[in-house]
Amino acid sequence: GAVVSQHPSRVICKSGTSVKIECRSLDFQATTMFWYRQFPKQSLMLMATSNEGSKATYEQGVEKDKFLINHASLTLSTLTVTSAHPEDSSFYICSARGQHPEKLFFGSGTQLSVL
Amino acid sequence: DAKTTQPNSMESNEEEPVHLPCNHSTISGTDYIHWYRQLPSQGPEYVIHGLTSNVNNRMASLAIAEDRKSSTLILHRATLRDAAVYYCILMSSGGSNYKLTFGKGTLLTVNP
Repeated sequence: GAVVSQHPSRVICKSGTSVKIECRSLDFQATTMFWYRQFPKQSLMLMATSNEGSKATYEQGVEKDKFLINHASLTLSTLTVTSAHPEDSSFYICSARGQHPEKLFFGSGTQLSVL
Repeated sequence: DAKTTQPNSMESNEEEPVHLPCNHSTISGTDYIHWYRQLPSQGPEYVIHGLTSNVNNRMASLAIAEDRKSSTLILHRATLRDAAVYYCILMSSGGSNYKLTFGKGTLLTVNP
């Protein structure tokens, strides 16, 4: 099956620093990638949708200047959490849509802890 | 987006079948029914999806009601590795934005 690699799996940073999370589709071209965040014992919340070569579409309530998304190629999308604060601590998950548009493949997630 | 309703939790014994229900009374004609599951500290994993007919794959079976207002995910023989949160999601086939909106899902516990 298709593989989506997400890196890093875990990151701890100081408040005020920026953190970049990478999401790669390893064996297929992903025209669309999605970014989610998940708080403990809660469901996934869609943050934004990114299409290769165009600006990301953010869900209501998600600050685009805080969560920078870049989808420069068909196999790579990045999420940068700028000036991270403790309330940004969460589990961030990416997903990618490939050849079968009705099926999404998910990365293994990134646990971000901001001190 | 059309919503789904699932029980918060279910319990099963190992090697027994599990039937996970999902209600989606406001489903539209173009909505696919998707199931994903999420193991602890991991990203969701695709399980199965269907439109009108029942579907089978190596992981599970999906039984869809004739009026499509409900569906059931069937794990034929539960194993300990099947313990996860199972999400029933509707995805519209219209347009190019196949985004998934997750509900709370069903936490499945499998007892040895």
